[in-house]
Amino acid sequence: DQQVKQNSPSLSVQEGRISILNCDYTNSMFDYFLWYKKYPAEGPTFLISISSIKDKNEDGRFTVFLNKSAKHLSLHIVPSQPGDSAVYFCAASEYNFNKFYFGSGTKLNVKP
Amino acid sequence: EAQVTQNPRYLITVTGKKLTVTCSQNMNHEYMSWYRQDPGLGLRQIYYSMNVEVTDKGDVPEGYKVSRKEKRNFPLILESPSPNQTSLYFCASSFSWEGSYNSPLHFGNGTRLTVT
Repeated sequence: DQQVKQNSPSLSVQEGRISILNCDYTNSMFDYFLWYKKYPAEGPTFLISISSIKDKNEDGRFTVFLNKSAKHLSLHIVPSQPGDSAVYFCAASEYNFNKFYFGSGTKLNVKP
Repeated sequence: EAQVTQNPRYLITVTGKKLTVTCSQNMNHEYMSWYRQDPGLGLRQIYYSMNVEVTDKGDVPEGYKVSRKEKRNFPLILESPSPNQTSLYFCASSFSWEGSYNSPLHFGNGTRLTVT
């Protein structure tokens, strides 16, 4: 049973608008959360992370929000750009633990 | 350039023919790991290694072997491949601190394996 779930396989957004990608998890021991971006024919690349002691982390156009009580995190991209079109994976890990659990990915399409 | 290199990028083989996918990193990372990506399932961890000669199973280790004889290399071995191992495989590495989070994973560009 998947411990990290991304329930939206795809998302289409107009350039300049906000993209919101969602992720839910079931393991309350998860302590560290990450987002990765993947282009075709490439490996995933790290985008942004957040630890459980925070509820928000910002890096330029990218912001990750964590709601521990709801076991939910989201990635906001503002403003969205066509180059952001990719598959986005969320991932989670327990503290001092060596396994990362990934969601199934959301394919974002940003239309010019 | 800091990178994780996997070879080959594409591989077509037949059931039962042993194969090895190589993975090498040049960042002096302690932690290395193998994942497979399948539609609707995301990335699932096969094996990981905390350091030389230290390996452990991930979530889907059946049918796979690994070794870590050198810090930079972490090959994935399929002793007797079967069609259900047809997948996209990724090797990843990260810097690991004792008693803390691993740093984010750096991924290779993937190996697409087809077993007929």
